[in-house]
Amino acid sequence: GAVVSQHPSRVICKSGTSVKIECRSLDFQATTMFWYRQFPKQSLMLMATSNEGSKATYEQGVEKDKFLINHASLTLSTLTVTSAHPEDSSFYICSALTKDNEQFFGPGTRLTVL
Amino acid sequence: GENVEQHPSTLSVQEGDSAVIKCTYSDSASNYFPWYKQELGKRPQLIIDIRSNVGEKKDQRIAVTLNKTAKHFSLHITETQPEDSAVYFCAASWGTSKIIFGSGTRLSIRP
Repeated sequence: GAVVSQHPSRVICKSGTSVKIECRSLDFQATTMFWYRQFPKQSLMLMATSNEGSKATYEQGVEKDKFLINHASLTLSTLTVTSAHPEDSSFYICSALTKDNEQFFGPGTRLTVL
Repeated sequence: GENVEQHPSTLSVQEGDSAVIKCTYSDSASNYFPWYKQELGKRPQLIIDIRSNVGEKKDQRIAVTLNKTAKHFSLHITETQPEDSAVYFCAASWGTSKIIFGSGTRLSIRP
């Protein structure tokens, strides 16, 4: 299957700081990528759809000014959690859509906000 | 909006027995139904998928069935093994649109 990488795998930050997470499709081009968050023992909740060259589409209840998404190339999307607070602590996972409409997931980023 | 319901939330089966997980979806336009396996702390892995023009698909010990009329689809795992223990998610989508996930099933295989 296709390979998606995510960086960093784990980050700890202080409350009020911003954190950037990168998602890369390594062996294919992805015009569409998705960002999810997953709380312990829960399902993946879609946060936003990232489209290369255009603005991201956010799901209801997700603050676009807090979770900034940039999809500047066909292989890279970034999620920036601005002014992070402890309640933002979660497992953030990206996925990339292949031309056959299959989604492949990155390994996830565990964010801990102190 | 689109909704995917998944049952059961937990499932425990004896090693060697079969496991069945069922899902229903609400949007009749959905045409792609993937299943993912997620181990603790790891990414979801696509294990099998089915498209709406097919009623059943099998890959070794794993099979998926789709009933478009009833908007049901199911995952069947036969001859279960300890390494099958994980959380399984069903999902549904249409075209290039977002995938909506079910709530997950925690499968435990008893030795």
